[in-house]
Amino acid sequence: DGGITQSPKYLFRKEGQNVTLSCEQNLNHDAMYWYRQDPGQGLRLIYYSQIVNDFQKGDIAEGYSVSREKKESFPLTVTSAQKNPTAFYLCASSMWNSFMNTEAFFGQGTRLTVV
Amino acid sequence: GQQVMQIPQYQHVQEGEDFTTYCNSSTTLSNIQWYKQRPGGHPVFLIQLVKSGEVKKQKRLTFQFGEAKKNSSLHITATQTTDVGTYFCAGFGANNLFFGTGTRLTVIP
Repeated sequence: DGGITQSPKYLFRKEGQNVTLSCEQNLNHDAMYWYRQDPGQGLRLIYYSQIVNDFQKGDIAEGYSVSREKKESFPLTVTSAQKNPTAFYLCASSMWNSFMNTEAFFGQGTRLTVV
Repeated sequence: GQQVMQIPQYQHVQEGEDFTTYCNSSTTLSNIQWYKQRPGGHPVFLIQLVKSGEVKKQKRLTFQFGEAKKNSSLHITATQTTDVGTYFCAGFGANNLFFGTGTRLTVIP
């Protein structure tokens, strides 16, 4: 089954702790993205990556970090520096070239709650 | 960063009524995509528009891309309860995919 998998589905974190959200895809996509969605809100871009070992900050990168050591994997770490981390996190991937992109496939999302 | 605004933010319609959501970008877009997110779910791709003035139809859904490639619309004819969800437009620019603010559609049976 080809697709994009996020884990875990639900995550609870104590204040002051770092936590890492997993995102894996077997679609052979070059581009991967992390978005944050707050209740009743749109999707805000945290980080994106177009190629292995390279990634760029999105609109709300502060308090987050990523890595792209493999084409298939794009984990997101929510650090203790993120002041309001409780949200729904969505990972996506797509084919990409410098002219345009194709449709993005999303994972099921991870709902992070700080307790 | 690049911004894509959508209006309205919320829309309640009686089943059978039509629905339209509008998307406006601050910059010219190379293409525009539309996604639907059901309550509790993740966004699912609906369609991509590339050409200036392009119009595409999917059954009761009609998508348009503006002549200047800075705006787009999604029109649903005779809504059904299965149309419930949030509709997002998304633009590709500066090598990333950025989403509009979304329109949440509620259909009253």
